[in-house]
Formats: sequence, structure tokens, C-alpha cells
Amino acid sequence: AQSVTQLDSQVPVFEEAPVELRCNYSSSVSVYLFWYVQYPNQGLQLLLKYLSGSTLVKGINGFEAEFNKSQTSFHLRKPSVHISDTAEYFCAVTRNEKLTFGTGTRLTIIP
Amino acid sequence: DTGVSQDPRHKITKRGQNVTFRCDPISEHNRLYWYRQTLGQGPEFLTYFQNEAQLEKSRLLSDRFSAERPKGSFSTLEIQRTEQGDSAMYLCASSFGAGEVYEQFFGPGTRLTVL
Repeated sequence: AQSVTQLDSQVPVFEEAPVELRCNYSSSVSVYLFWYVQYPNQGLQLLLKYLSGSTLVKGINGFEAEFNKSQTSFHLRKPSVHISDTAEYFCAVTRNEKLTFGTGTRLTIIP
Repeated sequence: DTGVSQDPRHKITKRGQNVTFRCDPISEHNRLYWYRQTLGQGPEFLTYFQNEAQLEKSRLLSDRFSAERPKGSFSTLEIQRTEQGDSAMYLCASSFGAGEVYEQFFGPGTRLTVL
């Protein structure tokens, strides 16, 4: 079985400060990892994904994530956040096309 | 360019009633997925289709839940004899092909409230 754990349910950050949203996964086989964002009253949007290759993955809106196999982590980072980044962020793992999501991290930007 | 659409966006029903939700995927996508999201949780996989074939339905929450995609285009998710525990956001997603390399595009969801 595979799963993801998002360690922080809420993360408040000052505008223009850096942010890291943590995600750890557990799986006995190779995994494909994703970060999705959900803005209020909207569907999920893919931020980035790791399938293979370079462990540093760049996504949309200035986000990036690093796959760390030894620590079974896939943390999401942004060097400078904006008010528009206020949303719920979900880490997910997939096998056989089915996405398994974490419980989400609510990112709140403080002006 | 239209994305995945879902109808209705909100549904309020009384316990014991049947409800049906519709999902229209992106037109050239042959994969269609249903997920359920409860408050404070991430989406949970329910079932998925390749064209009109339902490839997995073991994750459907009970025999009160059923899904169809009769012509390989839109899909419906039906819940019979609704219970208060069915209150959740029901999400639909579609993708162009099989496998993890193809992004799943999500619709805005249908929020179900069972009174």
C-alpha cells in the first residue's frame, strides 16, 4: 500500500517570505509524486509532478519540489509567496493511475 | 478550450433520496475518474473509466453508489438512499490516456449536502 503524509495542516506565511510545505510518502515500489493546488471554490490544479529523472522539479507559479528517496520526501517550496498563493495544497502519489492524496495543507499569506 | 464540467455544483437532499451527478470530461480524453472529498481530507478515489468501460469499481463506498459512462463521453454518479455520511464534495477528473504521465484535469466538483 502507498500513502502520503502532509505534516502541517495549516501554514501561515508573510507575503514575500519563502515557504516549504512538507510531504512524506510511503511505498514499497517506485512512485510517481504530485502536488496539486485547490483555490477556494475551484477544482484541483496540477502544480508539478515527479515521474523520474532530475530530483528537482519545477512547476507553475514559481513552485518547485525536490524528490528525496532516502528521506521519502517530496517537499514543495517557493522562494517568495504572494497573496494569490492562498489555497489548499495536496501532495499525492499514484500507482495504476489512481491518485492517493494527503490530507492537505492550507497556506495562508499574511499581508 | 473548455475544461471538465460538473453538474450540479451544489445539491441539497433529504436522507433516503436518490441523487445523480453528471461529469463532462475534456472532449478528447478517454479516461474519466471519480473522487470524493470530505471536509478536512484529501480527495479519495472511487472509480474510473476507459471510454465506456469501468476499469475499477471496488473503491465505490457501498452498493448504493454506481457510476456509468454509457457512450464513452459524459459520466454519471448515482447515490441511492442517501445518508448524512454521504455529504461531501464529489470530484470528476479526466485524462488523455493511460498512466501517470498523463495529467488528470479536475472539474469544480459537486457539493452534496444530505439533511
